[in-house]
Amino acid sequence: DTAVSQTPKYLVTQMGNDKSIKCEQNLGHDTMYWYKQDSKKFLKIMFSYNNKELIINETVPNRFSPKSPDKAHLNLHINSLELGDSAVYFCASSRRLAGDSDTQYFGPGTRLTVL
Amino acid sequence: QQQVKQSPQSLIVQKGGISIINCAYENTAFDYFPWYQQFPGKGPALLIAIRPDVSEKKEGRFTISFNKSAKQFSLHIMDSQPGDSATYFCAASKAAGNKLTFGGGTRVLVKP
Repeated sequence: DTAVSQTPKYLVTQMGNDKSIKCEQNLGHDTMYWYKQDSKKFLKIMFSYNNKELIINETVPNRFSPKSPDKAHLNLHINSLELGDSAVYFCASSRRLAGDSDTQYFGPGTRLTVL
Repeated sequence: QQQVKQSPQSLIVQKGGISIINCAYENTAFDYFPWYQQFPGKGPALLIAIRPDVSEKKEGRFTISFNKSAKQFSLHIMDSQPGDSATYFCAASKAAGNKLTFGGGTRVLVKP
């Protein structure tokens, strides 16, 4: 019954490695997001996809590449991991209503630790 | 430039007391103001939201007060309970954009 799920929940890796985080939503939503929450709990949007199309890219380094194979999935691939990438990454989804804002449903998060 | 400023960073309140968290925004194009609640190890979850056409919205023990001229809004938690202990985030977005800009968060601890 999980609405927005992410895997893995924890990810520990060495600097320079490449890793991926997967996200799936079963809410039938059209829009999906990736957020980064740093060690001070500050939440910042990274990307937004609507129906597999990128609509928001918040000047994230191009080492981060989101991929949406279908509107229920939004994966995040990170190349050449750096210490500063250590954070909790949240996936979220919402309906896309023309001219309106709608509730965003967040996944449980993936805690990424880069050593 | 932080577009949504939230205060205080942390708050301790006795059970039964009132928790008050304040947020101020800069962008006058914002017209949707949600509050999210986050428990440790979990993702944020929508608590309550308001649009600028009303000055107050109440849902159970949670109330948002909105002051459009001052560009400020606040969350009041009445009769605070230990189960309310969490981090609370205010946020703002423009209609049709769905891009949420979050405040810095307030960690609330309700003591029994």
